[in-house]
Amino acid sequence: NAGVTQTPKFRILKIGQSMTLQCAQDMNHNYMYWYRQDPGMGLKLIYYSVGAGITDKGEVPNGYNVSRSTTEDFPLRLELAAPSQTSVYFCASSPTGGQTGELFFGEGSRLTVL
Amino acid sequence: GNSVTQMEGPVTLSEEAFLTINCTYTATGYPSLFWYVQYPGEGLQLLLKATKADDKGSNKGFEATYRKETTSFHLEKGSVQVSDSAVYFCAVNTGTASKLTFGTGTRLQVTL
Repeated sequence: NAGVTQTPKFRILKIGQSMTLQCAQDMNHNYMYWYRQDPGMGLKLIYYSVGAGITDKGEVPNGYNVSRSTTEDFPLRLELAAPSQTSVYFCASSPTGGQTGELFFGEGSRLTVL
Repeated sequence: GNSVTQMEGPVTLSEEAFLTINCTYTATGYPSLFWYVQYPGEGLQLLLKATKADDKGSNKGFEATYRKETTSFHLEKGSVQVSDSAVYFCAVNTGTASKLTFGTGTRLQVTL
């Protein structure tokens, strides 16, 4: 049972480099999310998607881009990496919207920008 | 906007001790409330939830009651185990896209 799969698990970037964090889910969930987790700060929503072809900004979208060409995949693109983007990134999915929705999380991708 | 306030950790307890982790929230409308747990090196996973006032969520010996009058959703367990050592996040749903607002997390360390 794969669930939500994130790659890579670890990555070190230099300032100004770009990269894409991959996220794939095999549960046919419509809703997908990207969060970042900073020490002592909880999780902050970066972007989310309610279905293929539809994306929207969350709380902290600056410096990131996303696309959702298929139900399964929701990659997160970092352009011109900055030290402030050093964080642990979590992708999550959900089967339904609404107030009872449960999120299923991947194992996280730890990114360091030097 | 919506927000969640959790008690700060770390919380250190001996095995079989009673656990309470406080959580209060501010939200409009009728939010659903959640507790998620994150074990070392893993992503978050849902521990329990409650969708309306006075509901009690429970799982693995943990419980939390949705108290609308005090806007609280405190997590409790009667007897903790070493295997409960983890970070616990309180969260509130903020709309139809299941967007969750998380608290800052409370680290629990249980010792023998």
